[in-house]
Order: sequence, then C-alpha cells, then structure tokens
Amino acid sequence: GQNIDQPTEMTATEGAIVQINCTYQTSGFNGLFWYQQHAGEAPTFLSYNVLDGLEEKGRFSSFLSRSKGYSYLLLKELQMKDSASYLCAGYTGFQKLVFGTGTRLLVSP
Amino acid sequence: GAVVSQHPSRVICKSGTSVKIECRSLDFQATTMFWYRQFPKQSLMLMATSNEGSKATYEQGVEKDKFLINHASLTLSTLTVTSAHPEDSSFYICSARTRQGSYEQYFGPGTRLTVT
Repeated sequence: GQNIDQPTEMTATEGAIVQINCTYQTSGFNGLFWYQQHAGEAPTFLSYNVLDGLEEKGRFSSFLSRSKGYSYLLLKELQMKDSASYLCAGYTGFQKLVFGTGTRLLVSP
Repeated sequence: GAVVSQHPSRVICKSGTSVKIECRSLDFQATTMFWYRQFPKQSLMLMATSNEGSKATYEQGVEKDKFLINHASLTLSTLTVTSAHPEDSSFYICSARTRQGSYEQYFGPGTRLTVT
C-alpha cells in the first residue's frame, strides 16, 4: 500500500519554527516531495528528498528516513504568507505522485 | 522556469452538459501530462496519465468514458468532463513533465468546475 499520513491542521505564530510530519508505508516510493498550496491555487514545489537526511533550502528544510517511512518539513522564521496547505507526496516507480492528505498551517501574528 | 497554463480558470455548467479544460505547457515540450482532481479540504487525487500521441492511462475508479483525455501535441492536453453532474464539481489540476525519467512535474493553476 501507499498510504501517506499527515496531521490535518497545525497552528503556529509568526517568527516561530514548525515541523510538519509525514509518514508513509515504505514500499513503492523512490523519493518524497513537499509542495505548498495556497487555497484555490496549484501546488508549488518546495523540496524533493531521494536520500536519507536533511536538505536545507533557505527557511525551509526537509528530512527523509526511508527505513522508517518518515519525512518532515521544517519551516523557520514563520511569516504570515506561510499560511497554506503543505502536501507530502511520494514518487512511485511508475513516475507518479501519490499525495498525502495535506496539512493546513495557520500562522497567526 | 517551466510554465503550465490551464483554461478556463473557472467554469460553471449545467448538469448533463460537457465541459473541456485545456492544459498547455508554455515554454517546454511535455512528454507526459497528469490530471488531478481535488475536492474541498482534500488532497490531490491522480485521475489519469497522458502521454503524447497515445491513450491516457486512468487510475482505478476513474471512468474513462466520462473523463475524456486527449494529448494530441507535446504542449497541449485536454480533459473533457462529459455529461457533468453536481458531484463532478471539483478543482481540476494538470501537471506536465518535461521528459521521460524526470521526476519534476510542473503544475497548472487549476480549473474550478461547478456543475449546477
């Protein structure tokens, strides 16, 4: 199976750090994507992890542990504009994306 | 960067009619395009994979006769929702991949379909 699980909603305050977790069944994925999606808009690419470890890109970092079927997206120095849904997606051997349920992040002042 | 457009951005149609959604890659040739559907507060669900010049591959549970996909050129794919019903109201998003073996997909801005 390829179930991908994320928390439904998270809240955080401006300037803080938030970690959004994603767990998945370990079979079938060649890598893991994170996308940001604002309401009514298409997803935009944030990161892609294919090897274990942490990938840092500005205020956003993504971590992957393939053996544990676990990834997280770390957002630092939160800004109001970071309020959005964050989608975890597995990349399958058939070159398709399987999306998780998404996490709605609300950043408050 | 790679840009994908969709048209229309919003469409309202009456139950029983058909509606066509276009997905275009503006500055690259897309060997493969994907069509997703997203219901409110849910994640994206892949409907079908479309390779230029061949028939689309539909995901389990997606009716190929209801959701007609045409990928006649390397820059254009169309999704036609035939005999639309209110339960087809959703956000339809396409994405495009530049070449075989590439993991990158570029998403269009989506089309909001409302069937009354």
